[in-house]
Amino acid sequence: QKEVEQNSGPLSVPEGAIASLNCTYSDRGSQSFFWYRQYSGKSPELIMFIYSNGDKEDGRFTAQLNKASQYVSLLIRDSQPSDSATYLCAVNADDKIIFGKGTRLHILP
Amino acid sequence: DTGVSQNPRHKITKRGQNVTFRCDPISEHNRLYWYRQTLGQGPEFLTYFQNEAQLEKSRLLSDRFSAERPKGSFSTLEIQRTEQGDSAMYLCASSPSQGAPSYNEQFFGPGTRLTVL
Repeated sequence: QKEVEQNSGPLSVPEGAIASLNCTYSDRGSQSFFWYRQYSGKSPELIMFIYSNGDKEDGRFTAQLNKASQYVSLLIRDSQPSDSATYLCAVNADDKIIFGKGTRLHILP
Repeated sequence: DTGVSQNPRHKITKRGQNVTFRCDPISEHNRLYWYRQTLGQGPEFLTYFQNEAQLEKSRLLSDRFSAERPKGSFSTLEIQRTEQGDSAMYLCASSPSQGAPSYNEQFFGPGTRLTVL
């Protein structure tokens, strides 16, 4: 059973601080890793993807991948109240994607 | 708007009734996925199509569920004899064909929220 594990939270972070979200996965064969943001009642929105070990930066977001440790993380710099949402980690499994349960992030004004 | 669309957005039905949902993917995407999401959980894979071929079905998809994509464009998901446990958000996503720059990315529609009374 291929699994993606995330801490469900909630993770509370003061506005302007760095939010750090973590995820582990079980399938060593996975090649593609995704972070989706989901606001309450809405569908998931892709915000970052990473395929190679190391860091990938896009604006205030940085995705980090460590395949040896089977670990993916997402850093959000200068957190804003609009970043309050559930963040879903997802990993490819053949032609489909396996999602974690998500981490609820709450940015404190 | 050229994103993934789903209809209806909300459906309330009584236990035992049949319901059908529709998904229109992004036009150039040949892969289409159905997921189910309940409160506090991530999306759970149900099935997926490459063009009109249904390539994989999850064990979650009981005999009461059937999905089609007859012409390789839009898809329908039907649930027969609905049960209260079927209440969930049903999400559709699409992906482009192999070789496209965003091949591994899935783009989600707004979802259909089903409530079974």
